[in-house]
Amino acid sequence: GESVGLHLPTLSVQEGDNSIINCAYSNSASDYFIWYKQESGKGPQFIIDIRSNMDKRQGQRVTVLLNKTVKHLSLQIAATQPGDSAVYFCAVLNSGAGSYQLTFGKGTKLSVIP
Amino acid sequence: DAGITQSPRHKVTETGTPVTLRCHQTENHRYMYWYRQDPGHGLRLIHYSYGVKDTDKGEVSDGYSVSRSKTEDFLLTLESATSSQTSVYFCAISDSADEQYFGPGTRLTVT
Repeated sequence: GESVGLHLPTLSVQEGDNSIINCAYSNSASDYFIWYKQESGKGPQFIIDIRSNMDKRQGQRVTVLLNKTVKHLSLQIAATQPGDSAVYFCAVLNSGAGSYQLTFGKGTKLSVIP
Repeated sequence: DAGITQSPRHKVTETGTPVTLRCHQTENHRYMYWYRQDPGHGLRLIHYSYGVKDTDKGEVSDGYSVSRSKTEDFLLTLESATSSQTSVYFCAISDSADEQYFGPGTRLTVT
């Protein structure tokens, strides 16, 4: 099976600084990865995804990096803003297994200091 | 929330009673999922559906059943609610077996 872990349950950053949130996964066959943002009292919101044939993907102020060698991915948020305060989850899928089950990490709570 | 609604949004019920949660989508997506979210466990898959009347178990399916008689509706039933089923329940949808969009959640308390 798959297990997904995060290195830090909480992270505090100064407004305007860059944030880096990390995630590790166990199954080398995993080939699809998503980052979600969850604000208090709301459902998880899709941020960005990446497939295993890529090692970097950029969105608006966010970048996901994938290192398949060490089974690690990270989410970088540029110029962190107060609205970025939330819990961030990574989710991992092995699409070749014929399963639709995303495995989620437990989340990192990002707090932005004004 | 990507055209997903969940009802009720909050519910308090007593141990031993049956409870049904509803997920409704307007996106015509093929796949629908039910998760529970608990502190220290993150999101865990209960059941999912890959088409009308096609469902399968997830990681934590014991004590839960599901039904999908229409593309737009996915029902989660707790046959006899227990205190361990106190949780926040999220429905998700996807058009393919990867990117999933989540609903607003249902907070269920079993007393």
